[in-house]
Amino acid sequence: NAGVTQTPKFRILKIGQSMTLQCTQDMNHNYMYWYRQDPGMGLKLIYYSVGAGITDKGEVPNGYNVSRSTTEDFPLRLELAAPSQTSVYFCASSYGDTQYFGPGTRLTVL
Amino acid sequence: AQSVAQPEDQVNVAEGNPLTVKCTYSVSGNPYLFWYVQYPNRGLQFLLKYITGDNLVKGSYGFEAEFNKSQTSFHLKKPSALVSDSALYFCAVRDMRGYNKLIFGAGTRLAVHP
Repeated sequence: NAGVTQTPKFRILKIGQSMTLQCTQDMNHNYMYWYRQDPGMGLKLIYYSVGAGITDKGEVPNGYNVSRSTTEDFPLRLELAAPSQTSVYFCASSYGDTQYFGPGTRLTVL
Repeated sequence: AQSVAQPEDQVNVAEGNPLTVKCTYSVSGNPYLFWYVQYPNRGLQFLLKYITGDNLVKGSYGFEAEFNKSQTSFHLKKPSALVSDSALYFCAVRDMRGYNKLIFGAGTRLAVHP
């Protein structure tokens, strides 16, 4: 089991560019989540999904979009990158109460 | 509003000494509480959780946490710290609105000195 995998590990974007952060889990979990981690702020929930075809906004969804066409994949899309989106992004999946996290993507927007 | 507070940005402890990382919470109803650890350049790893039952919960790597309902606290403890325990620790509470969402504290950096 690879668990939760994320690509890329690092990325530098210019303001206004777009990109997709990939997340895949091989544990057949229905629930998946995207968080961003900013220094001293903990993790903030961006979007979550309770199954294929079902997504909903979290605490900080502005500037992001998601889709969930399969159980395994939950990509996060940034359409017009802004410096405020510089952060570390974590994907997670859950079975029951426990969430399992990917290794993260460090994104810098310049 | 639901929230989690970790009052210390950093905790310093000497190797071999006991450690405590503090967490308090605010939710209505019975809380589901969690501790996660993040090592440098890694994702978060689950340490332990409290759902119901015994107030003292044992987890991975020799960590334990004590649930105190009257003080709305869930402090993480270890009897004897190791240098390898140095990491960022997050307390979290399950969002009562469902879907196993978590509300995280800001994190506490634990530094264990030889």
